[in-house]
Amino acid sequence: KAGVTQTPRYLIKTRGQQVTLSCSPISGHRSVSWYQQTPGQGLQFLFEYFSETQRNKGNFPGRFSGRQFSNSRSEMNVSTLELGDSALYLCASSIFRGGAGETQYFGPGTRLLVL
Amino acid sequence: AQTVTQSQPEMSVQEAETVTLSCTYDTSENNYYLFWYKQPPSRQMILVIRQEAYKQQNATENRFSVNFQKAAKSFSLKISDSQLGDTAMYFCAFMGNTNAGKSTFGDGTTLTVKP
Repeated sequence: KAGVTQTPRYLIKTRGQQVTLSCSPISGHRSVSWYQQTPGQGLQFLFEYFSETQRNKGNFPGRFSGRQFSNSRSEMNVSTLELGDSALYLCASSIFRGGAGETQYFGPGTRLLVL
Repeated sequence: AQTVTQSQPEMSVQEAETVTLSCTYDTSENNYYLFWYKQPPSRQMILVIRQEAYKQQNATENRFSVNFQKAAKSFSLKISDSQLGDTAMYFCAFMGNTNAGKSTFGDGTTLTVKP
């Protein structure tokens, strides 16, 4: 079974631009979560989607948004990019059979550099 | 809010020896899940081991085992017969039963296995 895929793997943008990152979960997985990883802040939860609905949201400004499609693929968008948005963005998927604690499987990440 | 603390930023161990990584957490929930993830230089986050809080038996996975002390809110990872491929950053993570899809991570421990 193919793992979680993320595109693009690397991205360079300039301040003020916007960016869209994509995540395709493992086949059959219905929950997709996004995390931001930086040297200073570590791994921080952005949001989680299940059945096209955002169920959980982290403490990030409204410039960070996401969505999930009917095939469980997810996208996250960052508008008006700031230098501090430079990070590794990780996507994780899980089956979610109804209870919590489902193991999350991570993609390889998208490395975003904002100049 | 849950917090996860890894008090050892860096550790090293000789090949074939045993090393223990520490993790403590704080939560008011009674039902939750704990994970150790490994992140090698490739940045791919890989699940090492998982523990359900309602299970008293410590989880084991080949050379990896945990010491889960629920009352003390402690969750340490023991790596036996360390191998060069174990060199990576290790993250301890918490997922509450009421927060599906959201993991809270510690700051990580960088483990170096020396030949």
